[in-house]
Order: sequence, then C-alpha cells, then structure tokens
Amino acid sequence: DAGITQSPRYKITETGRQVTLMCHQTWSHSYMFWYRQDLGHGLRLIYYSAAADITDKGEVPDGYVVSRSKTENFPLTLESATRSQTSVYFCASSDWQGAFLDTQYFGPGTRLTVL
Amino acid sequence: RKEVEQDPGPFNVPEGATVAFNCTYSNSASQSFFWYRQDCRKEPKLLMSVYSSGNEDGRFTAQLNRASQYISLLIRDSKLSDSATYLCVVNTPSGGYQKVTFGTGTKLQVIP
Repeated sequence: DAGITQSPRYKITETGRQVTLMCHQTWSHSYMFWYRQDLGHGLRLIYYSAAADITDKGEVPDGYVVSRSKTENFPLTLESATRSQTSVYFCASSDWQGAFLDTQYFGPGTRLTVL
Repeated sequence: RKEVEQDPGPFNVPEGATVAFNCTYSNSASQSFFWYRQDCRKEPKLLMSVYSSGNEDGRFTAQLNRASQYISLLIRDSKLSDSATYLCVVNTPSGGYQKVTFGTGTKLQVIP
C-alpha cells in the first residue's frame, strides 16, 4: 500500500530553470493538492484539483503550472524557478466521505532549493 | 477576518499539564473539520476528525461548536512527544467543489 508519494525528495536547481515535482497516489482519491511551506510559516495552497482535468488556483499560484490528466498523478511545474520558490512542497490527496470532503493525506514533501 | 484563525503560540507547558487550543472559522457553511499534527517541517498527519458530538482518542479530545464557529483540541497529561505544531483544517462547499483551508498552526512545547 504505497499511499501517496512525491519525487524527488530533494532538489537543487538554478534560477531560471524549469522544475517538475511529481505526486502520485494509489487510492484514486478525487482531490489532490499542492502546498508550499516556507521556513517558520504555515502551509499555503498553490493549486488543487477536484478530479482529472479539473484544476484551480489556490492562494499562491503565480509561477506554477499543474496538470491532471490521470486521477493518480498531479505534477507541479515551476516554469522558471526563482529563489523565492525555495521551500518545502507537500502534495496531498482527499476524497469524499458521503457529502463531505474527508481528511487529507500528505506525501513526505520535496525540499527544493533554488540557487 | 481570516477564514480560519489559530493562536500561533507557542504554548509552553510542563509535562503532565492539560492544554487546550481553539480554532475559529468564519464561514457558517463549513462542513468538515480536522486537527492535524506537524513535526518540524515534516508532512502533516491527521490527529483527529472533529464531529459535532465531540470525539475523544486517549488523551485527546476534539469538539465542534457550530454556534460560535470554533473547534477545540484538548490534550490531557501532556507528554514530551506531544511537542509539535497543531493545525486545524476546515472544509467548506464552494461552487460545487470543496474549499480546504488550513490554519497557520499552534506550536506546543512540552517542557520536562
């Protein structure tokens, strides 16, 4: 039971490069989320997806692109990385429990450093 | 007013103490509520779902007060291992979808 996985776990890149962070879940959950967490701060939602081919912006979407062609995958791309995007990135998934959205399950995170 | 608000703390309490956190939410249409625990930039992990009737799991008790729009988390007999940041999460219907909002977290430090 793999659950939710993220890759890579650690990434160092340079300013201006394109970077893609991968997220994969094995539960067929409808919802998937990307968050970033800067040192000493709380989680901030970047994008979320309610189902395959349905995505929407969160609190801090600028500089990021997402896609969801398959239910189980939700990649996050930094089109042109900037130093301000140095952060820990968490992916999460969730599904309906009756009429309510149930708990989120988080991946282990990707620690991204942009030099 | 923020959609979800938590006292950031830190709460410094001695071992064995009882400590309580509150989390207020602004949208009366919010439907489901959760408490998560996060250790030092690791992934948040579910601590408890919060039901209107209240629920208890060992030393932890969570309650929902819809009239006053807050959820609470009570930790009894605090252990050193309880030191962490506690996040509340509120899910709210929004345009046919669900909006998930995290509080910024309350930091707990249990002192020997």
